[in-house]
Amino acid sequence: AQSVAQPEDQVNVAEGNPLTVKCTYSVSGNPYLFWYVQYPNRGLQFLLKYITGDNLVKGSYGFEAEFNKSQTSFHLKKPSALVSDSALYFCAVRDNRDDKIIFGKGTRLHILP
Amino acid sequence: ETGVTQTPRHLVMGMTNKKSLKCEQHLGHNAMYWYKQSAKKPLELMFVYSLEERVENNSVPSRFSPECPNSSHLFLHLHTLQPEDSALYLCASSWTSGRGNEQFFGPGTRLTVL
Repeated sequence: AQSVAQPEDQVNVAEGNPLTVKCTYSVSGNPYLFWYVQYPNRGLQFLLKYITGDNLVKGSYGFEAEFNKSQTSFHLKKPSALVSDSALYFCAVRDNRDDKIIFGKGTRLHILP
Repeated sequence: ETGVTQTPRHLVMGMTNKKSLKCEQHLGHNAMYWYKQSAKKPLELMFVYSLEERVENNSVPSRFSPECPNSSHLFLHLHTLQPEDSALYLCASSWTSGRGNEQFFGPGTRLTVL
């Protein structure tokens, strides 16, 4: 069965510092991996995805994520955090042999001015 | 977020009421989804429609009844709900072809069951 874990409920980062939001996954086949962001009173917004190819994926708002097959991880990163990056971040995984998509429980990111 | 719209944005209902949530997508997608988002719980996929046919029902209680009259509209009919059904209900859409397709979400309906 596929699963996804976001081990941190909350991450605090000072503005201007690099940020990392962690995600690990488990699938039977090859994974399709996604990151979404949710701002208050809004739905989820797609940030980036990994399907195949280059392990480093670049997405919206300066975010990027690195697919690491050996560690089954897909951590979200940004070189320099902005206060406006404060939001709830969700990692999601889909098995290439299955239509099910599983979301992590979310990580709340606080960027401190 | 004009790609996927949801109405109403907020709904308060009693346990004996019947109400419906509406979702409309303006992106030309052919798959639509209902999710339930509760505090401190992972996002729960409730229903999936692909080309207007239901392809997945994740053991959702029968008090939730979906309807997809065409590829642009999705409804969630609610009746005799319980207080634990209070949550944010999110609608999403995507292309069906290719499991690597991302989903586009609406802003959600905040439901409170008294």
